[in-house]
Amino acid sequence: EVHLSESGGGLVQPGGSLRLSCAASGFTFSSYGMTWVRQAPGKGPEWVSAISGSGGKTYYADSLKGRFTISRDNSKNTLFLQMTSLRVEDTAIYYCAREWSYFVYWGLGTLVTVSS
Amino acid sequence: EMVMTQSPATLSVSPGERATLSCRASQSVANNLAWYQQKPGQAPRLLIYGASTRATGIPARFSGSGSGTEFTLTISSLQSEDFAVYYCQQFNNLPPWTFGQGTKVEIK
Repeated sequence: EVHLSESGGGLVQPGGSLRLSCAASGFTFSSYGMTWVRQAPGKGPEWVSAISGSGGKTYYADSLKGRFTISRDNSKNTLFLQMTSLRVEDTAIYYCAREWSYFVYWGLGTLVTVSS
Repeated sequence: EMVMTQSPATLSVSPGERATLSCRASQSVANNLAWYQQKPGQAPRLLIYGASTRATGIPARFSGSGSGTEFTLTISSLQSEDFAVYYCQQFNNLPPWTFGQGTKVEIK
């Protein structure tokens, strides 16, 4: 059974940094692209970033302007999202999802709150 | 950037009635479109991919159609568990992908 579990969210001040993790199980992790999607309170989902199975290709939403970095450790079946220069508007639930096109499997999400 | 526009924002429907939701892309996405259902406190659930292919376990009352820039999700006979928010998402060519702003289907 496919299982995705995000962690690392929390309360951070504007300008701060956080590193999110997504632990994957139930499938061959290195064979799948992975994606981060976020959802601000009361808003629709927003695609954030994706990475290929090998980690060799990465993509980002234009709005992030280089503040976020996606990576993965295939030896530990874990996906990461390093977030820097956080803004109030980055407040959202962050989900990891398997695949990088459409998403069958999602985690439960981790809440990131950016506030002073 | 590709913009996905959904209409209407809210759809009031009685149980057993048909619901028709629309999604328009700002440029062609061929058939690279997915539909999701989301209920409060849950992650989105994939309903349709490739514009018209139902995901595993999705009831036949859900159907998708369209290609290019105009897409439709139809729920043939609304059940109580279908009242939720629905989103379309394009995945044409290369990322970034984009979601629509959603249609809330509520009980009339």
